[in-house]
Amino acid sequence: NAGVMQNPRHLVRRRGQEARLRCSPMKGHSHVYWYRQLPEEGLKFMVYLQKENIIDESGMPKERFSAEFPKEGPSILRIQQVVRGDSAAYFCASSPLEGVAAEQYFGPGTRLTVT
Amino acid sequence: AQSVTQLGSHVSVSEGALVLLRCNYSSSVPPYLFWYVQYPNQGLQLLLKYTSAATLVKGINGFEAEFKKSETSFHLTKPSAHMSDAAEYFCAVIKAAGNKLTFGGGTRVLVKP
Repeated sequence: NAGVMQNPRHLVRRRGQEARLRCSPMKGHSHVYWYRQLPEEGLKFMVYLQKENIIDESGMPKERFSAEFPKEGPSILRIQQVVRGDSAAYFCASSPLEGVAAEQYFGPGTRLTVT
Repeated sequence: AQSVTQLGSHVSVSEGALVLLRCNYSSSVPPYLFWYVQYPNQGLQLLLKYTSAATLVKGINGFEAEFKKSETSFHLTKPSAHMSDAAEYFCAVIKAAGNKLTFGGGTRVLVKP
């Protein structure tokens, strides 16, 4: 059973461009979480999605950031008009269940660099 | 608001020595607690979790952690450090009715030969 897959692993964007980060959860997992790790900072929750639904987006910046998890295909984290402060590692996690008993399995991350 | 504090952003231990990483949480209700490890340029791997069963939790790679409600702590220990334990360790909490993990700032462990 393949783990959580994220691509690309590394992404370089110029200021003002768009960044699209993809996350394929583990087989059978219908819950996806996105976290961001800024340089010299800890991991911060961004958004929690189930298939076709955003459940909790309390950690998402109000502007330029959006996320989706369609019925078919990977979850996408989209950052429009990137700025240097968006440079970070973005991690996706998936779980098969809802609730605290469900372990979240993390992907290897996408490291975004904005030049 | 729930928070997690890890005391010490960097810890240096000698190979074979005890590893002790400290984690304190603030919560109005007993939370669910986790320790994750992150190796360089990789994602997070779960070491162990506390979900209100036994207060002493054993995890992978010889790590264990003890939940102490009176001290609001969940410190991680390993009796004998190995070179392969060099990594960053994160304590995290999740509230009973929620799904999102709240992480501490992380502790980077250096193992000296």
